[in-house]
Amino acid sequence: DIVMTQSPDSLAVSLGERATINCKSSQSVLYSSNSQNYLAWYQHKPGQPPKLLMYWASTRESGVPDRFSGSGSGADFTLTISSLQAEDVAVYYCHQYYSIPRTFGQGTKVEIK
Amino acid sequence: EVQLVESGGGLVQPGGSLRLSCAASGFTFRDYWMSWARQAPGKGLEWVAHINPDGSETYYVDSVMGRFTISRDNAKNSLYLQMNSLRVEDTAVYSCARGHWWLGLWGQGTLVTVSS
Repeated sequence: DIVMTQSPDSLAVSLGERATINCKSSQSVLYSSNSQNYLAWYQHKPGQPPKLLMYWASTRESGVPDRFSGSGSGADFTLTISSLQAEDVAVYYCHQYYSIPRTFGQGTKVEIK
Repeated sequence: EVQLVESGGGLVQPGGSLRLSCAASGFTFRDYWMSWARQAPGKGLEWVAHINPDGSETYYVDSVMGRFTISRDNAKNSLYLQMNSLRVEDTAVYSCARGHWWLGLWGQGTLVTVSS
């Protein structure tokens, strides 16, 4: 199984500042035949279903604000919120869809400082 | 409106069974792979299973293999999860989701509590 490890487990960022979440996979999720990274990011707020933010590691889902960006390749990935807004308070998960079983990171809780 | 709505959760004793349903609307259900995922209390997200558009291919996480069965009825725009031999550690909110790569649409979930 591919183990997804996020860091940090939680972070507090001032409004308008940058938030950076890291995700490391235990093996590469880059598929060589199409050069795609099989990695997605989700935002999960209490009482709401998870919301897809990114797929293919860096493709923003329709309707997701452009302050969210994804980067990385192979086994190291980053989700960046360039200017944190109050509505971004949530738990964020990375997710690999390279192999079965699909696996998620443990989550990173983002709060306002 | 594009949505997924789960039902069928509840309290069940260890060793018991439960069948979850997921009603899809607002999109062409028969065109999509569909998934079940769960979140145990205080824990993160866990993929459970997924099924291809015509129901001929299914995949499961090891911990539910042989106990859970994912199925679908495209005529009814519905996804199901039959859960047998339930264990305390299966206690979670179960959500259906659209897709088998990234999960682009999720339902609100239904709570399954396994306890004596």
